[in-house]
Formats: sequence, structure tokens, C-alpha cells
Amino acid sequence: GQNIDQPTEMTATEGAIVQINCTYQTSGFNGLFWYQQHAGEAPTFLSYNVLDGLEEKGRFSSFLSRSKGYSYLLLKELQMKDSASYLCAVRDGNQGGKLIFGQGTELSVKP
Amino acid sequence: DARVTQTPRHKVTEMGQEVTMRCQPILGHNTVFWYRQTMMQGLELLAYFRNRAPLDDSGMPKDRFSAEMPDATLATLKIQPSEPRDSAVYFCASAVGLGSVHYNEQFFGPGTRLTVL
Repeated sequence: GQNIDQPTEMTATEGAIVQINCTYQTSGFNGLFWYQQHAGEAPTFLSYNVLDGLEEKGRFSSFLSRSKGYSYLLLKELQMKDSASYLCAVRDGNQGGKLIFGQGTELSVKP
Repeated sequence: DARVTQTPRHKVTEMGQEVTMRCQPILGHNTVFWYRQTMMQGLELLAYFRNRAPLDDSGMPKDRFSAEMPDATLATLKIQPSEPRDSAVYFCASAVGLGSVHYNEQFFGPGTRLTVL
């Protein structure tokens, strides 16, 4: 089976840096995605990692360690608009490429 | 500005009624997903299609749910009969499929908020 764990909620201050962790267990790892979802809206794609290492995209970076079953999303220079739920999702190649989502981390950015 | 569209955006119905949700994927995307999101369960995959053929529908209650792609521009999700526990937001997403299991980022539609009384 598969299991994805991420913290339920986090709070950070505007202008700061926050790291959201995700651990996973899956038999057929085939890539890890991060999505952002604002309340009442659809998820939007942030990043994709399939190889170990750091992928940087503006204020957002995502890291993957396949041997540890671990990823994190790093958000720099936090803005109020970054308050949202952040979803970690793993693609399982043993299940036809099915994308399994974690429960999401609700991030609150305070002034 | 290419985007996934879904109709209706909101649906309130009574238990036992049939509900049909529609999705138009982004033109050129050959992989379509149906998800259900609730507070308790989070985002769950119900079914997905590659080139209109169902690849996986193991997340879908077979007795009442059905998903089809009549053509490349339309995906439908039907619930018959609907039950209060089906109340959720239903998202459709599309992607460009590469090979048998690969696809790039999924683009989500705005969702259909379903309430079954």
C-alpha cells in the first residue's frame, strides 16, 4: 500500500521562510508533486521531483530523497497570499501512475 | 488561456436522485482524472482515463458511480442513486500523458460542489 504523511497545520510570519515536510511509503515510486490549494479553489501545481535533490522555482523550492522517502517544500519571503493548504502527492508506477495525495498542510501566514 | 471547465459548479439534490457532472479537459490533453475532496478524506482519486480508455476506477463505488469519456472533449461522472455521504467537491483534472504511467502536471478544474440532502 501507500502512506503519505505531512503536518496538519503550520503558522509562519510574513517575510520568513517555512519548510513543509512530507514522508511517504510506496512500492512503486514514480515522482512526487506539490500542489497549492487556496480555500474554496482548485489545487494548482507547484513542483515536481523524480530524482534526488533540490528543484528551485522562484520563492518555492522542493527537495526529494528517494532513499529516505522524504520531501520538503520550502517557501521563502513569505507573503500573506501564501496562506493555503499545501498538498504532497506521490505517483505510484505500480498502480498505473495513480497520484496519491496526502491530507495537506494548512499554512497560515501572519503579519 | 487554456483551462479545464466543469459544470455545474454547484449542485443541491435530494437523496436518490441522479447526478451528472461534466468536464471539458484542456485541448490536447489525453489523460483525465476525477477526484473527490472532503474534509475527512482529503483528495481521493475516483477514476482516470488515458486516450478515453479507463485506466483505473478502483477508487469509485461501482454500484452507484460511473465515469465515461464519450469523446476527447467531454468526461462525465454520474451518481445514481445519490446519497448524503456523496456530498463533496468533485474535481476533474487533465494532463498530457507520456507513455503508460507518466504524465506531467495535472491541471484542475474549478470543481463541482455537490450537496445531497
